[in-house]
Amino acid sequence: GEDVEQSLFLSVREGDSSVINCTYTDSSSTYLYWYKQEPGAGLQLLTYIFSNMDMKQDQRLTVLLNKKDKHLSLRIADTQTGDSAIYFCAPGQYSSASKIIFGSGTRLSIRP
Amino acid sequence: DTGVSQDPRHKITKRGQNVTFRCDPISEHNRLYWYRQTLGQGPEFLTYFQNEAQLEKSRLLSDRFSAERPKGSFSTLEIQRTEQGDSAMYLCASSPSDSNNYEQYFGPGTRLTVT
Repeated sequence: GEDVEQSLFLSVREGDSSVINCTYTDSSSTYLYWYKQEPGAGLQLLTYIFSNMDMKQDQRLTVLLNKKDKHLSLRIADTQTGDSAIYFCAPGQYSSASKIIFGSGTRLSIRP
Repeated sequence: DTGVSQDPRHKITKRGQNVTFRCDPISEHNRLYWYRQTLGQGPEFLTYFQNEAQLEKSRLLSDRFSAERPKGSFSTLEIQRTEQGDSAMYLCASSPSDSNNYEQYFGPGTRLTVT
């Protein structure tokens, strides 16, 4: 079946930029989502990008998409302690809810 | 609107018992989804409703699992004859049908522990 891979952990210093990477196998993905999950909470949609775009910026968040390499990244500028969470990449297709596949998540921790 | 709510938040049950979880989506959201999340993993799709119609079901959803959304508002997920492998977080999400993609709003989840 289709697969989504992410690094398990990322540690950055407060104020630096964080870059969370994701690779996926489904070339038919049309929407690629990023979700954030804080401890004990459900997932929060952060942003998404259409497959016909290669970049999307939303305040401190920048999403880059390399469709040829099936690589997605999320950059968080000026990382704050409140950004500590698990971040999930989730490519999907418009045609089917079941084709949204979540990665295992990257746990972001912030060093003072 | 307070978002997607789920009840109960925690459930401990003995193996072999039946359990039922409830999800109340954001009002006017026609789409509703159930996911299962185990420790260290992302959510796995279980099933999807558009109004009261169950349009998609994962092969993960064995015969012991059933989901309903009888009036197109709240939904229930029932697990019969629970097994230890059913221990997980069960997440519900909803999205508006006028959205041209599946941007989902998640509830806090129901954590199930089967002893």
